[in-house]
Parts: sequence; C-alpha cells; structure tokens
Amino acid sequence: DSGVTQTPKHLITATGQRVTLRCSPRSGDLSVYWYQQSLDQGLQFLIHYYNGEERAKGNILERFSAQQFPDLHSELNLSSLELGDSALYFCASSVADRTHYNSPLHFGNGTRLTVT
Amino acid sequence: KNQVEQSPQSLIILEGKNCTLQCNYTVSPFSNLRWYKQDTGRGPVSLTIMTFSENTKSNGRYTATLDADTKQSSLHITASQLSDSASYICVVSAEDAGGTSYGKLTFGQGTILTVHP
Repeated sequence: DSGVTQTPKHLITATGQRVTLRCSPRSGDLSVYWYQQSLDQGLQFLIHYYNGEERAKGNILERFSAQQFPDLHSELNLSSLELGDSALYFCASSVADRTHYNSPLHFGNGTRLTVT
Repeated sequence: KNQVEQSPQSLIILEGKNCTLQCNYTVSPFSNLRWYKQDTGRGPVSLTIMTFSENTKSNGRYTATLDADTKQSSLHITASQLSDSASYICVVSAEDAGGTSYGKLTFGQGTILTVHP
C-alpha cells in the first residue's frame, strides 16, 4: 500500500459532462502529481502541485484543471469530456518539491475514467 | 525532445529463469533514472532510483544498471517468480536550468513481462 488514496476507482460518464477526481497524498508528502495513462500509452504528466502551489504543467488540456487544498488533498477536474479522455488517471505524491534522486514518487491505484 | 525507449515491448519467460530489460534515453540534462513495476490495474511501484554517479543498484532480485555515457540502463530480474508478471517502466528525470526538475519525468512505454509456471 503506497499510502496514496484515489477516489473513485471507476467512473463512467457521457461526453460533454464534467467529473472530479480526488487524491489524498501520503501522510507528510507535500507534492502531488497527476498523470494520464491511455490504453497502450506511457504515463503522461499533467500537473504538479507543491503545498498548495502549482509548480509545473505538462500536456494538460485547457478543459482540465486541478487544485491542491490546505489539507494537501488534490482534485483534478475534467470538463466537456470527450471519448478520447477515457484513460487511467494516476495521482502520485512525494515529500519534496522536485524530482531529485532522493524523492521517490508514490502512486495511487488510479481512477479509471470511461467516457461513453 | 526528451525520449525514453524500452525493449523488448513484451517478454515471456519461465518461472525461475532470469531476464534483462533495456532502456535507452535521450533526456538531457540528466538528473536520475527510475525503474517502476506496474501490476495490471494498479499504480506503479518504485524499484530503484539511480543518479549519474551510480552504476548499479539492487532491490532484492531486481538489479538496475546505468551507463550515463551511452545513456542506457537495464533491469535484471533473477530467479523470476509468477508475481513478477507486470509492466516494467523506465523513467528519466531531467534537470531544469538552475538544478530544479519540477515534474519533468519522461516515462517509457514499458516492457510487459509474463512469467509462466
């Protein structure tokens, strides 16, 4: 058990809808990262927050947004959903604010989003 | 463009045998290289993390090697077990100017390992 909790585990929704994915990091971890893993694709970095502040953005669509709250949990909001947004969305946490060698990432088990 | 290429894409071995997975990268400037194990439907789990000064690092039956000159890494699994069946992902972290590397991890596509009894 990585200590990172993601809810819900599965989500099925229709095109055009909006959903919110939630992540609770490991106790003591200040960084939260969001990744998207589509079928047969590698993990794609979306966004990174550290202690409530946005630190880096990857290939995140404008329809997607995220935030990290004072209690350090994070939410990823996906709106105007399209079929191509169907994927596994992973949250990872780490204690540090950067990916240097002594800062392993701990991944949750993901939220599987299916857009129909 | 930073890239991480893994080979083979998939591998089938018999229980008890050894195997080696390969990772080539073009990430620059290099910070560190990580190997993760991802079981189907689960999040990746860290196996090893190596900096440019480390040539080899072990974690139980897993041994990773790094050649920073040729930009290659390998993951050797000894005496494979059925539970080793998973996707193994090579991840390389790049440094920004000034030594930061916020979220700049480049993930390989993974090697799917299947261990048969």
